[in-house]
Amino acid sequence: EAQVTQNPRYLITVTGKKLTVTCSQNMNHEYMSWYRQDPGLGLRQIYYSMNVEVTDKGDVPEGYKVSRKEKRNFPLILESPSPNQTSLYFCASSQRGPDYGYTFGSGTRLTVV
Amino acid sequence: GQNIDQPTEMTATEGAIVQINCTYQTSGFNGLFWYQQHAGEAPTFLSYNVLDGLEEKGRFSSFLSRSKGYSYLLLKELQMKDSASYLCAPSGGSYIPTFGRGTSLIVHP
Repeated sequence: EAQVTQNPRYLITVTGKKLTVTCSQNMNHEYMSWYRQDPGLGLRQIYYSMNVEVTDKGDVPEGYKVSRKEKRNFPLILESPSPNQTSLYFCASSQRGPDYGYTFGSGTRLTVV
Repeated sequence: GQNIDQPTEMTATEGAIVQINCTYQTSGFNGLFWYQQHAGEAPTFLSYNVLDGLEEKGRFSSFLSRSKGYSYLLLKELQMKDSASYLCAPSGGSYIPTFGRGTSLIVHP
């Protein structure tokens, strides 16, 4: 089944403790992206990747890192999480071409205390 | 940058028709996506318009006017399960969209 797999679904952590949210897609998509979603603010892009080893900042990259060493994986790294990073996070991938939209992962609800 | 405007909330009756409008200003434009998102779930793709005009897909249709920076999503024969947030997402380059804040649609009996 074509899908984007995110893990974990839920995570509660403490301020300053490094964490990684994994994202993997099995559709051979070139484009991958991370979004955070907050009430009243909608989906905001954190980072995106056009292809392996090609990443770029989105609208809200501060406090986050990403890597794209393989086409299928695009992990999101929070080196020193803070409470303002408490949010719902979505990974998404897209095949190049105008008829294809994003396929989203199921989301990761992160709480930083 | 991108500026996307859509109503925050709309209500409608089961069986009725509702139109959700979206206006946008973008520095580059390839096309416009509409996504549906049920509470607590991931967005799912509904439509993608590149050319001006109306595209129909079953109960859902999407319209685009590139010159006016305007799109709408038309939902016919509303069902309770259509209660969700609808996200307008113009795409400017690389087909990677930026999302509006979404319109929360409430369908009541």
